[in-house]
Amino acid sequence: NAGVMQNPRHLVRRRGQEARLRCSPMKGHSHVYWYRQLPEEGLKFMVYLQKENIIDESGMPKERFSAEFPKEGPSILRIQQVVRGDSAAYFCASSSQRSQGTTQYFGPGTRLTVL
Amino acid sequence: AQTVTQSQPEMSVQEAETVTLSCTYDTSESNYYLFWYKQPPSRQMILVIRQEAYKQQNATENRFSVNFQKAAKSFSLKISDSQLGDTAMYFCAIPSSGTYKYIFGTGTRLKVLA
Repeated sequence: NAGVMQNPRHLVRRRGQEARLRCSPMKGHSHVYWYRQLPEEGLKFMVYLQKENIIDESGMPKERFSAEFPKEGPSILRIQQVVRGDSAAYFCASSSQRSQGTTQYFGPGTRLTVL
Repeated sequence: AQTVTQSQPEMSVQEAETVTLSCTYDTSESNYYLFWYKQPPSRQMILVIRQEAYKQQNATENRFSVNFQKAAKSFSLKISDSQLGDTAMYFCAIPSSGTYKYIFGTGTRLKVLA
């Protein structure tokens, strides 16, 4: 039973380029969460999606960031026109239910470096 | 707003010894869940243990156990018989206001010494 998969593990982009981060949830999980971890900090919630729906994007910057979770395929976090401040580790988590008591299982993260 | 505080940025422990990592939090919820995650150098976030606030019994998972004190809003993690593989960052987390959004502390970097 594969865990949460993320790719790529490392992504290097120049300022102004686009970054696409992919997340495949655990089998049977339809709830996906994206978190961002800046250096030497804890993870910060960005967005919560269910299949084909964005449920809560309160933690996502209003500009340049978008997320989707299509009916088929992985969830995508897209960052347009990246800037140096976007350099961080981006983690995806998934769960089988939405309630607060349901454990979120994390992927290995994508480390984005913006040159 | 809910907060999670980990006051020990770094700790070290000798192999086979016991170490306790502290975590305090603030919440207005009466029932909630608390989590400890481990992040080794590979950066993978691994669930270590979880506690349900309405359960008085402290959660235990092999060498890992918690000391949960609801009134004091304290949720410390005890690692017994420390192993070199326990070297990692440890994060305490609580869902925000009964939702699915985890709030993480800033972490404690634990180093197990041979």
